Amino acid sequence: DSGVTQTPKHLITATGQRVTLRCSPRSGDLSVYWYQQSLDQGLQFLIQYYNGEERAKGNILERFSAQQFPDLHSELNLSSLELGDSALYFCASSVDWNYEQYFGPGTRLTVT
Amino acid sequence: GIQVEQSPPDLILQEGANSTLRCNFSDSVNNLQWFHQNPWGQLINLFYIPSGTKQNGRLSATTVATERYSLLYISSSQTTDSGVYFCASLNTNAGKSTFGDGTTLTVKP
Repeated sequence: DSGVTQTPKHLITATGQRVTLRCSPRSGDLSVYWYQQSLDQGLQFLIQYYNGEERAKGNILERFSAQQFPDLHSELNLSSLELGDSALYFCASSVDWNYEQYFGPGTRLTVT
Repeated sequence: GIQVEQSPPDLILQEGANSTLRCNFSDSVNNLQWFHQNPWGQLINLFYIPSGTKQNGRLSATTVATERYSLLYISSSQTTDSGVYFCASLNTNAGKSTFGDGTTLTVKP
């Protein structure tokens, strides 16, 4: 157990819908990262937050958004969902913005 | 951005054999990690190794940052070692993480 928690574990929804994925970092970690793992794209970095502020942005679609709250938990919002958004979404955390990352168990999103 | 290449893409071993997985990166990195993704999808930290050598049981890793590569050694492999092994780098300036495509390891009993 890495200490990073993600909810829900599984999510099935229809195209065009909006979902929110939640992540709680390890105790003491200030940085949160979001990743998408799909069969054809591998593990892709989406976005990073550090202590509530956006730190780096990767291949995140405009339909996706994220935030980190004062208690340091983070949410990833996915809207106007398409079939191609079906993937495993991971959250990771680290003590600082350039340190070892620990991954949560992931949320498996299926868009039908 | 930085490129991360892993080799080989696939590896099949008999239980008890040793193996070496390689990770090449296109630019200097100061954060290099190895992960094991088990058949249930869980990403498990193996090593955080920006440079030097570390060992943990049957696994060890070496990163030569000046030559832009890292190696993961697995000795006396077990069936539970099966899965996908990823290396990942964090580019300090851009703050973006980059994963390699992984090496899929199958250990046969």
